[in-house]
Amino acid sequence: GENVEQHPSTLSVQEGDSAVIKCTYSDSASNYFPWYKQELGKRPQLIIDIRSNVGEKKDQRIAVTLNKTAKHFSLHITETQPEDSAVYFCAVPNNNNDMRFGAGTRLTVKP
Amino acid sequence: DTAVSQTPKYLVTQMGNDKSIKCEQNLGHDTMYWYKQDSKKFLKIMFSYNNKELIINETVPNRFSPKSPDKAHLNLHINSLELGDSAVYFCASSGIWEQFFGPGTRLTVL
Repeated sequence: GENVEQHPSTLSVQEGDSAVIKCTYSDSASNYFPWYKQELGKRPQLIIDIRSNVGEKKDQRIAVTLNKTAKHFSLHITETQPEDSAVYFCAVPNNNNDMRFGAGTRLTVKP
Repeated sequence: DTAVSQTPKYLVTQMGNDKSIKCEQNLGHDTMYWYKQDSKKFLKIMFSYNNKELIINETVPNRFSPKSPDKAHLNLHINSLELGDSAVYFCASSGIWEQFFGPGTRLTVL
């Protein structure tokens, strides 16, 4: 099955700085790469995703980049704000079309 | 309208008891899941059902038994609860790829 590794496990940045979270996967056949955000006490929610036919996708302050050769993809958050503080999960489809989630990154944005 | 709902939101019970968590989705999805999220926030898949049929059972103790009466519902029954079962349990559904999660059920076993 798919093996997903996510780094770092915790990340603390100053408001206004950028944050980058990286995810590596093992199955080169994977073709869909989402990022989920989980605020404290809430459910995980999809914030951005990318398919394997593109290398980058942006949505306002967040972007995802994909390197299929190296089998990794990254979440980039620019101009971070305190409301960006949350746990972020990458995920990769597994053989049975379920999602395998990374271990999560706890992002803290200090005002 | 709530897309994926689950009840109860909180569940506190004694070791050895049996409890159930209910999940319903109104998105028309064929696939539903149960995830366990432990205190370290790791999201681990437990079960996956597609159109009422079990697809995945990820080495979960057989004290956990999912039941899908129809494709909009996936309930989770847990027998003989243990301390280590304390966690937040999320139900989810998906169409093609995106997972829609329920609000979670925080289970505390005393």
